[in-house]
Amino acid sequence: EVQLVESGGGLVQPGGSLRLSCAASGFTFNIYWMTWVRQGPGKGLEWVANLKGDGSVEHYLDSVKGRFTISRDNAKNLFYLQMNSLRAEDTAVYYCARDQDYSINENWYDANDIWGPGTMVTVSS
Amino acid sequence: AIQMTQSPSSLSASVGDRIIITCRASQGIRNDLAWYHQGPGKAPKLLIYGTSNLQSGVPSRFSGSGSGTDFTLTISSLQPEDFGTYYCLQDFTYPRTFGQGTKVGIK
Repeated sequence: EVQLVESGGGLVQPGGSLRLSCAASGFTFNIYWMTWVRQGPGKGLEWVANLKGDGSVEHYLDSVKGRFTISRDNAKNLFYLQMNSLRAEDTAVYYCARDQDYSINENWYDANDIWGPGTMVTVSS
Repeated sequence: AIQMTQSPSSLSASVGDRIIITCRASQGIRNDLAWYHQGPGKAPKLLIYGTSNLQSGVPSRFSGSGSGTDFTLTISSLQPEDFGTYYCLQDFTYPRTFGQGTKVGIK
């Protein structure tokens, strides 16, 4: 079964750090881009960052650049989000998701086809 | 960053109703748009990619259309499991951006 499961969430003080993990199973992990998306309490979805399958290319939301770092361990099928200098506005459920590429009539699209259940991060003193 | 604006922000509908949700991009994004559904307390689920292509396993009552800046998601006959919040997402450029969501409630 294709599955993603996040872990590592919790309560952290402002300015603190936390590392989230996403365990992948049921598919060839190292060929897929992987993404982190978050959702603040009562708010909509917000794309955070993604990382190419071989770890060579990454993209970030402007508000997390320089504070968050995305990485992966393809030998262990694990995907990470290192979060430093955390702020109250980073409080959210964090989801990891797989990026699937689709080819339609010679056009390529990508979308997040598999999602984990999410892990809650609360930044508060 | 490209801004995605959905309308309406919420709606009430009955089982069997036809509903249409729109998504407008602040600049052209070709057909690089996906739609997701999120049930209460659940992770999002992919419905449509590339504006109009149905994800495997998604019922045919869902359809998408549009191009450039204006897109629509149509549900031809609303079912009980369709209630929840719908989001569009542009995958034309980085950072990826979601619409603010459309909450579909029971009338």
